[in-house]
Amino acid sequence: EPEVTQTPSHQVTQMGQEVILRCVPISNHLYFYWYRQILGQKVEFLVSFYNNEISEKSEIFDDQFSVERPDGSNFTLKIRSTKLEDSAMYFCASSPRGLVSDTQYFGPGTRLTVL
Amino acid sequence: AQKITQTQPGMFVQEKEAVTLDCTYDTSDQSYGLFWYKQPSSGEMIFLIYQGSYDEQNATEGRYSLNFQKARKSANLVISASQLGDSAMYFCAMRGRYGGSQGNLIFGKGTKLSVKP
Repeated sequence: EPEVTQTPSHQVTQMGQEVILRCVPISNHLYFYWYRQILGQKVEFLVSFYNNEISEKSEIFDDQFSVERPDGSNFTLKIRSTKLEDSAMYFCASSPRGLVSDTQYFGPGTRLTVL
Repeated sequence: AQKITQTQPGMFVQEKEAVTLDCTYDTSDQSYGLFWYKQPSSGEMIFLIYQGSYDEQNATEGRYSLNFQKARKSANLVISASQLGDSAMYFCAMRGRYGGSQGNLIFGKGTKLSVKP
């Protein structure tokens, strides 16, 4: 069964460093998302991406964040200058279309630790 | 604004018994979808079940069923015949078509279910 994959599973970085989190969505899906979950808290939406551009972003997704689909399979989230409060689990998700009924399938997550 | 409320931070259930996890939602959208996800201690988010706002029948998926009461804006998850492997966090989420939301999911705070042997 196709699944969303994410690498790395765990990333440790120093405050102020840039990190790139990578995702490979399910191959025939058209919509891609990033969410984050600070330890012990609820999952929060960051950004959605369709047709090679951002379709929506939350207030969390400020200028420090960017997303890119560099090729036909990868979808990346870049944090330009990490802060302590960026420590969280980051989930990539994909769905076939943008319909209300479409399930979003999540990857296993990348745990980001900022020291 | 859309909102999901899960009022049970933690629940205990005896193995083989049924359990209901509560979820209420608030939205002005006419068309919306309600989802339940399971998050085991390993951290991944596993899709369990979906209910559409126009669906007349309650959704079922194996041991999972959704008790959808549209007028009360509730979408409770029922797990029948609980198993030890059901111990996990359970998140209710909603997806709407309008109101500035292009399809992102809005999650509740989750309920931690513990199944006792």
